[in-house]
Amino acid sequence: DTGVSQDPRHKITKRGQNVTFRCDPISEHNRLYWYRQTLGQGPEFLTYFQNEAQLEKSRLLSDRFSAERPKGSFSTLEIQRTEQGDSAMYLCASSLLGLDEQYFGPGTRLTVT
Amino acid sequence: RKEVEQDPGPFNVPEGATVAFNCTYSNSASQSFFWYRQDCRKEPKLLMSVYSSGNEDGRFTAQLNRASQYISLLIRDSKLSDSATYLCVVNRGNYGQNFVFGPGTRLSVLP
Repeated sequence: DTGVSQDPRHKITKRGQNVTFRCDPISEHNRLYWYRQTLGQGPEFLTYFQNEAQLEKSRLLSDRFSAERPKGSFSTLEIQRTEQGDSAMYLCASSLLGLDEQYFGPGTRLTVT
Repeated sequence: RKEVEQDPGPFNVPEGATVAFNCTYSNSASQSFFWYRQDCRKEPKLLMSVYSSGNEDGRFTAQLNRASQYISLLIRDSKLSDSATYLCVVNRGNYGQNFVFGPGTRLSVLP
């Protein structure tokens, strides 16, 4: 399968713990996006990378959230000191430079207890 | 007010019906527009881009009115497989890559 992959698919953690999610985009895609989606809502934009550069970051992304894409390939999203309000589906998407169509991964469902 | 708003739904229609979804956006500097489809417990997938001149793809027609900041999606001859949530998406990024998704409108096509 050459689509976008995300790991883990599910994560249950206790409040206050740190979690890290990984996204592997489609191999030739140089743009990578992170979104958060809660039940009944559309995905909310969190951040965007072009190659290894983080070019856009939502105001929703508090200082507890950080994302990296060190070599311009896979990306990680870390949430520090998780709160119950962080419970959501975290989606990763990728696209080719010059094209707007985004291909989404299956998401990581985070539950903070 | 949300930046991208859609019909609240859900829409329950019989097979073969024509159904129209509406979307409005508030940022007049928005650059590009899309409709995505999301099946239950699945990731969103691009249905079609929306162009100023309007565009059609089979049974699906999308329209954009920049002056009114309004986007529409028309589905003709609806099929059971069209049942999904339809997401209106607007790109307003400073570098051209900041996508705002609407809350979605759920469609159920009934036999």
